[in-house]
Amino acid sequence: ETGVTQSPTHLIKTRGQQVTLRCSSQSGHNTVSWYQQALGQGPQFIFQYYREEENGRGNFPPRFSGLQFPNYSSELNVNALELDDSALYLCASSSGGVGTGELFFGEGSRLTVL
Amino acid sequence: SQQGEEDPQALSIQEGENATMNCSYKTSINNLQWYRQNSGRGLVHLILIRSNEREKHSGRLRVTLDTSKKSSSLLITASRAADTASYFCATGGGAGGTSYGKLTFGQGTILTVHP
Repeated sequence: ETGVTQSPTHLIKTRGQQVTLRCSSQSGHNTVSWYQQALGQGPQFIFQYYREEENGRGNFPPRFSGLQFPNYSSELNVNALELDDSALYLCASSSGGVGTGELFFGEGSRLTVL
Repeated sequence: SQQGEEDPQALSIQEGENATMNCSYKTSINNLQWYRQNSGRGLVHLILIRSNEREKHSGRLRVTLDTSKKSSSLLITASRAADTASYFCATGGGAGGTSYGKLTFGQGTILTVHP
């Protein structure tokens, strides 16, 4: 157990809808990263939040957005869902400027878009 | 795009045998990490090797890094059925700075260990 929790674990949406995924980071961690993992692929970096500011973004369109709260928990929002958004969404926390470089992952939220 | 490429894509062995997975990457790195993922679950960090290290051990795991060839290998000795999982190498990030959580993963090696 990493101490990183994600919700919901599974959800089904239809094309065009919007979804919000949530992540609680491990105690003491101020950095949260989000990843998208399509079936059979490695995780792809979406963006990172450090002390409530977006701090780096991968090759994802603006309809992928996020927030980080003062307690360092985070949300990933995806608007105008497309079929290709079907994937496992992983949240990872880390201790930012200190620590070993290791990321601590949650179990993921599996999104199916019909 | 994937920075790391694992080889082989799938590996099937018997319990007790050793498993070797390889990873190649394209750009210079500060460190390289290996993660494990049980089917459809979250990733678990296994080991991190820094760019100035050539070899690192952790229990039954041995990782090597050759920065001149931009490659790394993960060796699992005396494998067990419980080692069955996908294994990913990841580059980027690193202690300190703002790039901490920005890892680039390969596509992974699926390891199956038969009892």
